Amino acid sequence: NAGVTQTPKFQVLKTGQSMTLQCAQDMNHNSMYWYRQDPGMGLRLIYYSASEGTTDKGEVPNGYNVSRLNKREFSLRLESAAPSQTSVYFCASSGEAGAYNEQFFGPGTRLTVL
Amino acid sequence: GIQVEQSPPDLILQEGANSTLRCNFSDSVNNLQWFHQNPWGQLINLFYIPSGTKQNGRLSATTVATERYSLLYISSSQTTDSGVYFCAGGSQGNLIFGKGTKLSVKP
Repeated sequence: NAGVTQTPKFQVLKTGQSMTLQCAQDMNHNSMYWYRQDPGMGLRLIYYSASEGTTDKGEVPNGYNVSRLNKREFSLRLESAAPSQTSVYFCASSGEAGAYNEQFFGPGTRLTVL
Repeated sequence: GIQVEQSPPDLILQEGANSTLRCNFSDSVNNLQWFHQNPWGQLINLFYIPSGTKQNGRLSATTVATERYSLLYISSSQTTDSGVYFCAGGSQGNLIFGKGTKLSVKP
């Protein structure tokens, strides 16, 4: 069991470039999440998917789009990267959305936008 | 939205010492977790504890849901305990994180 995996681990972009961060889980979880972590801060929710076929905005969705490709995979896309999007991005999954469900996190993607 | 406050923000311990980290919530939560972020940035699940008390080795946690706080106890600290400890909670599935407690354990 790999748990939650993320690719790539590191990425450097120039302002205006686009990229997609990939996330996959093998725990048969229904819900998946994307967070970002800025220096000295806790994580903040960007988007989440309560179940396959649904997505919803979190606290900081501007500048991002997501796709729940299937039950296993949830991708995060930056259409036109900006320096303010320099951050570490974490994907997470849980059995169900809503209450009473522990979230498990991937190793993170460290993104730098120049 | 829910606000999460963690204290203390920084903590320096000598190896072998005990410590208590606190997490306060501005509103009721029904999903509460504690994490350790190691120096390599990995988030490690410590406890899923919306209420009650749990123990895992040298670590234990207590959540008093009616008073909206949670405590993480670390006993006989080791240098490998160093890192940042986060609590996070929510009421609708997504987690709101505190800013963390940065723990440094000196040999």
